[in-house]
Amino acid sequence: AQTVTQSQPEMSVQEAETVTLSCTYDTSESDYYLFWYKQPPSRQMILVIRQEAYKQQNATENRFSVNFQKAAKSFSLKISDSQLGDAAMYFCAPRAQGAQKLVFGQGTRLTINP
Amino acid sequence: NAGVTQTPKFRILKIGQSMTLQCAQDMNHNYMYWYRQDPGMGLKLIYYSVGAGITDKGEVPNGYNVSRSTTEDFPLRLELAAPSQTSVYFCASSSGTDNQPQHFGDGTRLSIL
Repeated sequence: AQTVTQSQPEMSVQEAETVTLSCTYDTSESDYYLFWYKQPPSRQMILVIRQEAYKQQNATENRFSVNFQKAAKSFSLKISDSQLGDAAMYFCAPRAQGAQKLVFGQGTRLTINP
Repeated sequence: NAGVTQTPKFRILKIGQSMTLQCAQDMNHNYMYWYRQDPGMGLKLIYYSVGAGITDKGEVPNGYNVSRSTTEDFPLRLELAAPSQTSVYFCASSSGTDNQPQHFGDGTRLSIL
């Protein structure tokens, strides 16, 4: 079985500071794809960033980046210069190569303090 | 671009009633999914489909049925509504290519009273 763990149910950060949300993926697969989704109060599911496990370079999208540690099966989401609009639930969701489904973590609720 | 469209956005049902949640996508995606999200929780997969005429169970299929007669549409049927089915339901689609994400609809909030 493949297990996804987001160990931080809630996190808070001061506006303009940096925060890191953790996610680990217990899998025996060597190739997989990793997605982070954001769910603001509007409840839409919005793709934040994706990471391919075979790539050594960590993915970056503006203020969002992935810190991927393959040996530890960890792919944390780093948010730099946090903004009030970043307040949301964040879900990590890996998918093994060739798999038909994503596996969603339990989510981390991020609060931004002004 | 409409993307993934879910209807209705809100619905209140009485126990024992039936209804169909509609989902349509205009991206020519082969893969479609139904999830439910209970308050404060993550997403649980109900059913999914990898193409027209093909469906399969997810984690929590009991009490639900699906069909996929076209690439565009993937309706979810509740036959005998129960209070435990009160939840927010999301439909999603993807091309099926490994590095491509799932695209989500805006969700349907369903209350069973």
